[in-house]
Amino acid sequence: NAGVMQNPRHLVRRRGQEARLRCSPMKGHSHVYWYRQLPEEGLKFMVYLQKENIIDESGMPKERFSAEFPKEGPSILRIQQVVRGDSAAYFCASSPEGTRNSPYEQYFGPGTRLTVT
Amino acid sequence: AQSVAQPEDQVNVAEGNPLTVKCTYSVSGNPYLFWYVQYPNRGLQFLLKYITGDNLVKGSYGFEAEFNKSQTSFHLKKPSALVSDSALYFCAVRAPYSSASKIIFGSGTRLSIRP
Repeated sequence: NAGVMQNPRHLVRRRGQEARLRCSPMKGHSHVYWYRQLPEEGLKFMVYLQKENIIDESGMPKERFSAEFPKEGPSILRIQQVVRGDSAAYFCASSPEGTRNSPYEQYFGPGTRLTVT
Repeated sequence: AQSVAQPEDQVNVAEGNPLTVKCTYSVSGNPYLFWYVQYPNRGLQFLLKYITGDNLVKGSYGFEAEFNKSQTSFHLKKPSALVSDSALYFCAVRAPYSSASKIIFGSGTRLSIRP
């Protein structure tokens, strides 16, 4: 059973370009979470998605950032017009379900390290 | 509001000695508590969790953690440290009956095991 897959592992973009990060959850997992991690810092929640639905996007910046999890294919985190402050590691996690009182842990992918030059 | 604290940025232990990585939390009700480990340039790996039941939870790689409700703590422990345990450790808390997205991660503790 393959784990959570993320690609690319490393992404370099110039200021103003778009960054597109992909995440394939573990088999059987229908819930996906995106986090951002700055060097030597903890994880900051960005967005929580189910197939074709955004459940919670309270951690996502209002501008330039968007996420989707289509019926078919991976979840995509999209950053438009990147700035240097977007440089970070972006992690995707998945779980079987995310409903209240379901104590499932999240399984993390290896991350995408975005560098904005 | 829920929160989690890891009071030590770094813990240094000699190989073979016991190790403890501290975690305290604040949440209404009985929490869900988790420990994760992160190796360099890797994602977080799940170690163990406390949901209910026995206060002592055993996890991967010989780690265990003890839930202490009166002290609101969930310290990670291992009886005998290995050099390969050197990594970044994160404690996380989630309030009961909350959405899975409402999990809060601590700032991390870097564990360094010297040979």
